[in-house]
Amino acid sequence: EVQLLESGGGLVQPGGSLRLSCAASGLTFTNYPMSWVRQAPGKGLEWVSSISETGTYTYYEDSVKGRFTISRDNSKNTLFLQMSSLRAEDAALYYCARCLGTCRAGMDVWGLGTTVTVSS
Amino acid sequence: DLVMTQSPLSLPVTLGQSASISCRSSQSLVYSDGNTYLNWFLQRPGQSPRRLIYEVSKRDSGVPDRFSGSASGTDFTLTISRVEAEDVGFYYCMQGTHWPWTFGQGTQVEIK
Repeated sequence: EVQLLESGGGLVQPGGSLRLSCAASGLTFTNYPMSWVRQAPGKGLEWVSSISETGTYTYYEDSVKGRFTISRDNSKNTLFLQMSSLRAEDAALYYCARCLGTCRAGMDVWGLGTTVTVSS
Repeated sequence: DLVMTQSPLSLPVTLGQSASISCRSSQSLVYSDGNTYLNWFLQRPGQSPRRLIYEVSKRDSGVPDRFSGSASGTDFTLTISRVEAEDVGFYYCMQGTHWPWTFGQGTQVEIK
């Protein structure tokens, strides 16, 4: 069974940094592009960032570009999201998700999410 | 960013009846590779999202055939025939054709 387990969320002050991790199991991790999608409390889904299978290509939503960095360690089956200069509007539940083939077709497996709270 | 407009935003349905959710794009979603990247997700209460349909009408493994997707130009429809209690939740469309990829606002389906 494919499983994605996010960690690293927590409370951070505005302007602070946080690193999210997503541990993948039950799949050949290096075969799949991966994404981060977030959901602010009581709101809808917002795609944040994606990364190609080898990590060569990365993509970001405009509001996080220059502040967030997506990366992966295929030897450890782990996806990361380094977040800096955090803002109140970055507070959300962050999901790690697998893309099957292409992330353009959406994400077919999702984790349970990790919560990021930005507050002083 | 391309705005995906869903309607209705709230949809009370009767068990066993059919339900349809619309998702409208202001631009064509046909990508340069010839595919149309319009996808549908269901988020049940307290759960992570789950993809139901990808590329307009392709059903994910394990998704009941009660769920179907269709398109007419830039208007896309998710139809649930014979609604069951487990179908309750928020439905989101998502376009993966134009950068950045965007989701619709969500449609809440509830049982009358």
